[in-house]
Amino acid sequence: EAGVTQFPSHSVIEKGQTVTLRCDPISGHDNLYWYRRVMGKEIKFLLHFVKESKQDESGMPNNRFLAERTGGTYSTLKVQPAELEDSGVYFCASSQTSYEQYFGPGTRLTVT
Amino acid sequence: SQELEQSPQSLIVQEGKNLTINCTSSKTLYGLYWYKQKYGEGLIFLMMLQKGGEEKSHEKITAKLDEKKQQSSLHITASQPSHAGIYLCGSRYNTDKLIFGTGTRLQVFP
Repeated sequence: EAGVTQFPSHSVIEKGQTVTLRCDPISGHDNLYWYRRVMGKEIKFLLHFVKESKQDESGMPNNRFLAERTGGTYSTLKVQPAELEDSGVYFCASSQTSYEQYFGPGTRLTVT
Repeated sequence: SQELEQSPQSLIVQEGKNLTINCTSSKTLYGLYWYKQKYGEGLIFLMMLQKGGEEKSHEKITAKLDEKKQQSSLHITASQPSHAGIYLCGSRYNTDKLIFGTGTRLQVFP
């Protein structure tokens, strides 16, 4: 069974540009989560989808971040326009229930 | 303020030595998760503890949960270089999202 996959693994963009991160959850997992770790800080929750609906987006830092999960399958996280403080590692996780979340390898975003 | 504090922040041990990582919560725990992250990789689920006093083991790693003290410990016996990485505790605090600890970086040298 394939695990959670994320694309790209690494992205380097300039301040003001747009970047879209993609997450493919484990097949059949209704729950999809986005987290991120910025330099020197702990991993923080961004938002939670149940199928295509946003269950909790309390962790989204501001309106420059837009997450979608069309059709309840893969999800995208768009940052527009990117700022320097957005640099970090963005993790996606999926689960069938809330209990065990399976994480992807992360996307390392560098904003210069 | 940080809800989950881990100690130590960093640990360097010689191969074969035992070690313990602690995770302390500032509020009531509703289950405690342990994950491991290797550099450049995702988080690998190690184990989940749900009840006070619960203890689980996987290979040479044992985790315990003390709900009264709002603490969990992760113990590695006879450490190996393959144990190196960042260990993270996390809790859902009765929600669906995981709150993570500050992390403990473990290095094991031959």
